[in-house]
Amino acid sequence: GNSVTQMEGPVTLSEEAFLTINCTYTATGYPSLFWYVQYPGEGLQLLLKATKADDKGSNKGFEATYRKETTSFHLEKGSVQVSDSAVYFCALSGPYNTDKLIFGTGTRLQVFP
Amino acid sequence: EPEVTQTPSHQVTQMGQEVILRCVPISNHLYFYWYRQILGQKVEFLVSFYNNEISEKSEIFDDQFSVERPDGSNFTLKIRSTKLEDSAMYFCASSVYREVKEKLFFGSGTQLSVL
Repeated sequence: GNSVTQMEGPVTLSEEAFLTINCTYTATGYPSLFWYVQYPGEGLQLLLKATKADDKGSNKGFEATYRKETTSFHLEKGSVQVSDSAVYFCALSGPYNTDKLIFGTGTRLQVFP
Repeated sequence: EPEVTQTPSHQVTQMGQEVILRCVPISNHLYFYWYRQILGQKVEFLVSFYNNEISEKSEIFDDQFSVERPDGSNFTLKIRSTKLEDSAMYFCASSVYREVKEKLFFGSGTQLSVL
């Protein structure tokens, strides 16, 4: 079945460092791919998405490219800030005609000044 | 931005007891969901709900679980007889459209601890 694997955390970086959080997936068909973020004390929020191969999703300086050949959707940011400290969840849409999202375990990012 | 509200933020219960987790979705949303995350594991889909009935449920969502929208604003998840393995963070979500490509709005979760 469809599944998502993302790198374990925590990822600890200094401010202005480059961020990569790896996400790979297994899926039949052509799923959509997502990154959700959960800031402390808040709910998960959609950060970005890509709905077909080679699409690049971007938001708030974060980017991820839908790579069908490597079944990956890695999250990147060129220069992280302390305010980016949060848990990041990679997800994909389930099989055709389903309501559900399939999530990974989440990766905690801690950014220090 | 409007938000999904969940109460309580923490719930502690004894094994075998019934619990009700409450959620207030965003007011113009039509689709409602429950997900959960057991510590260290993936966030898992439990159930989706539309037009006052279950639209889809996972194999986790057995007869011990039920959902209800009792008054047009609240959306509840009931676990009839809790087990230790029900301990998890439970997230409610809502959306305007059914299309899973569209944005889901999540609450901040209820941490359920079953002792």
